[in-house]
This record gives sequence, C-alpha cells and structure tokens, in this order.
Amino acid sequence: DVKVTQSSRYLVKRTGEKVFLECVQDMDHENMFWYRQDPGLGLRLIYFSYDVKMKEKGDIPEGYSVSREKKERFSLILESASTNQTSMYLCATCDEAGGVDTQYFGPGTRLTVL
Amino acid sequence: GESVGLHLPTLSVQEGDNSIINCAYSNSASDYFIWYKQESGKGPQFIIDIRSNMDKRQGQRVTVLLNKTVKHLSLQIAATQPGDSAVYFCAEKTTGTASKLTFGTGTRLQVTL
Repeated sequence: DVKVTQSSRYLVKRTGEKVFLECVQDMDHENMFWYRQDPGLGLRLIYFSYDVKMKEKGDIPEGYSVSREKKERFSLILESASTNQTSMYLCATCDEAGGVDTQYFGPGTRLTVL
Repeated sequence: GESVGLHLPTLSVQEGDNSIINCAYSNSASDYFIWYKQESGKGPQFIIDIRSNMDKRQGQRVTVLLNKTVKHLSLQIAATQPGDSAVYFCAEKTTGTASKLTFGTGTRLQVTL
C-alpha cells in the first residue's frame, strides 16, 4: 500500500510567520503534489514536482513555495502566512513511470492562520 | 471532524439501498477518471478508476459508468452501508497534462439507518 504522511494534522500560526508543511512518501513515486481544499472550491493545485529539485506552478502558487531535495519528501512553504491561507492542505503522490495516473493522498494538514 | 464542503449537494440513502453519485466533466480530451471518497477530517481515498476506452468498470460493491457522449461519470455503490457516509468526488486527467488532475467539488453521501 502507498503511504503518504504529512508532518502535522493540525497547525495554528500567526500572520507573518513562516510555515513549513512536509510530506513524505514511501513508494518511490516520481510525482508529488500540494493542494489546498476549501469549502465549495474543491481541490486546487498549488505546486507539483516531477523529480528531485524539479517544481512547477499549479493553479494557485501565489504566496507559496516548495522544495524537493529528496525523492520521498516534498515541502510546502508559506513565506509569510496570511489569514486567507487558512485551509486544509493535502499532499499527493503519483507513479507516472508506472503508467498509472492515480494520485494517492496524505491525511491532510488543517492550517489556521490567526 | 472537519467538514470538507459546507455547501455540497447531499444525497441521502437508506442503509441497504443502492447509491448513485453523478459527476459531469467538461473536457472531451480527458482520458482518465477517478472517484475518491473523503471522510471527515481525512485525506481523499482512491475508490475506483476508469479509462476513456471503457464504458464501465466494477470493483467491490462499486461500479463506475462513463458516458463520453454527454461527458458524464457516475459512481454506483451497492447495498450502501453507514461506513459509506462521506464526500465523494470525481477527478479527470486530460491528455497531455502529465499526471495533473482536475477535481470536482463533490457530493456528500448520508446513509440513514
């Protein structure tokens, strides 16, 4: 079974703080994704990565950056957290090399910015 | 737990009945579709997938139907159980977009006893 873990289930930060969200997968998947999920809006793609040190912007990258130094780890960084970044953040992985496009998700991090 | 969708359409089904959840997609170039289940406070869980060269695929208690003519996808759950209560949403992958998926906003399934 694919296992995707996220560093925190719940996180509370203050406006202006730098926030790190970590995602780790144990299946050697090439592709990793960061989404945010908000009521009525579904999942929106922030950033994704096809390989180590590779990253591409998704649909809503503003206010976020990412880092992928190792294949199994993909970090989402909020340089200066704002209240409109309060959301559920979901990490996903996908083994494109295997010809299967299914994305497998972590449990999510509920971030509240005060 | 946390609600993932405060304004989602809701389907109420009695335990033991069959459930049908629908999804409309917009891109005729989409070639791969997935149904996910998301329980309150958890990440989405893969249920079943289907490629565009198929019309129907069956899993354990679940069936996905794809109608490319009207760009419609449905998820059928047989003998619905209380544990099936969750938000269900579809995702589509468009040809040429690598592994990027586009997600629907979801339907909440409530199973009544």
